[in-house]
Amino acid sequence: QVQLVQSGAEVKKPGASVKVSCKTSGNTFTNYEINWVRQATGQGLEWMGWMNPNSGNTGYAKKFQGRVTMTRSPSITTAYMELSSLSSEDTAVYYCARSGNSGYDSWGQGTLVTVSS
Amino acid sequence: SFELTQPPSVSVSPGQTARITCSGDALAMQFVYWYQQKPGQAPVVVIYKDTERPSGIPERFSGSSSGTTVTLTISGVQAEDEADYYCQSSDSSGTWVFGGGTKVTVL
Repeated sequence: QVQLVQSGAEVKKPGASVKVSCKTSGNTFTNYEINWVRQATGQGLEWMGWMNPNSGNTGYAKKFQGRVTMTRSPSITTAYMELSSLSSEDTAVYYCARSGNSGYDSWGQGTLVTVSS
Repeated sequence: SFELTQPPSVSVSPGQTARITCSGDALAMQFVYWYQQKPGQAPVVVIYKDTERPSGIPERFSGSSSGTTVTLTISGVQAEDEADYYCQSSDSSGTWVFGGGTKVTVL
């Protein structure tokens, strides 16, 4: 089964940017879209956007357009999500998830991003 | 944008049936996916495309759809089913949305 391993926790100051990585195991990296979902403490899941690792095409939730960038490095089967102009409201656990025929069938372990002055 | 509405909480006794609804205008034309999330863990898909159950998910989990409302049913609830459940769907533009989540408490 495919595994998604994310980078470690981050602490950022307001106004800064954060880049979270998501490395996938196996040789199916370019076959499935990677989505990013975040969850603030005690809150629900919030979809941020998707990326096609083969073409690099992306689609972002309106809320994050202009502030989020999703990229990939096929050679190392890694996807990235960069979020800029951080505020305290961006403090959350960020997940990457593979989108298969049965929905988001594999998830990363989550990356806690804390925004604090 | 569209929204998906779920009840905030559902309480059920062990062995009984829990039903969680998810409502939204787009659901008449789009599939719904259901995720279970336990504290400190990443979500797990329990139902996809309204009614399909992934391998490894117990048969007590089932999904149904009627118009703009879909329902996740957990038959014979067990203590291990206590978790948050989220529905998810997309609109025609490829934008995905999660419902607000339903906390299932096993009494």
